[in-house]
Amino acid sequence: EDQVTQSPEALRLQEGESSSLNCSYTVSGLRGLFWYRQDPGKGPEFLFTLYSAGEEKEKERLKATLTKKESFLHITAPKPEDSATYLCAVRGPRSGNTGKLIFGQGTTLQVKP
Amino acid sequence: SQTIHQWPATLVQPVGSPLSLECTVEGTSNPNLYWYRQAAGRGLQLLFYSVGIGQISSEVPQNLSASRPQDRQFILSSKKLLLSDSGFYLCAWGAGHGSYEQYFGPGTRLTVT
Repeated sequence: EDQVTQSPEALRLQEGESSSLNCSYTVSGLRGLFWYRQDPGKGPEFLFTLYSAGEEKEKERLKATLTKKESFLHITAPKPEDSATYLCAVRGPRSGNTGKLIFGQGTTLQVKP
Repeated sequence: SQTIHQWPATLVQPVGSPLSLECTVEGTSNPNLYWYRQAAGRGLQLLFYSVGIGQISSEVPQNLSASRPQDRQFILSSKKLLLSDSGFYLCAWGAGHGSYEQYFGPGTRLTVT
C-alpha cells in the first residue's frame, strides 16, 4: 500500500535557525511528489512538484529535494511568517488520470521571533 | 488565471439536518475535482473525486454524497448529518493531465451539534 509519513509532527525554531522537514514515501513508480503550505483555517497552498531523484526546487527560503525514498523541505533562516503546517503528497502509477494524491499528516512549524 | 470558490465558509448544523456544500472553479475547463475532509490536527482524507460531469467516485463509505451537475461545479451533500461529520471540508481542482498538482479552495468549517 502506498504511504506517506512526515516527520517531525511539530517543529519549533527560533527565527534564523535553519532546519529540514522530512517526507518519507513508499510508492513504487513515483509519478510526482508535492509540497503544500497550510495556514490555520485556510486551504493548502501549492509550493512545489518534484518528479525524479536528485531534483531540487526553490522558493524564497524554501528548498525541496527528492531521493528515491524521501523528500526534504529545507528552510533557511526562517522568519515568523514561515509558521504553518507543511503537507507532503505523492502520486503513484495507480492514480491514472484521476490525479489522486496520497497526503501525509503534515509537519506544523512554529518560528519564534 | 484559475480561481476556486467554496461556500459557505462556516456552517453550524444540528444532527439529522441536511447538508449542501458548493464548490466552483473559474478559468479552466474539464478539471478533475476533489472533496477532502480534514479533522483537527490531521491530514487530508479524500472523500470523492470526479473526472467529468456526472462522474463521481467515492473513496470512503460514509454518510455523504457528491454530485457534479456542471463542468466546474462540485457539490457535497448529506441527507442527515451525524456528529462525526464535523470537520474542515476542502474542495480542490486539478488539470487531469500534465503535472497533476491540485489547487485548493478556502474550505468550509462544518460543526454538527
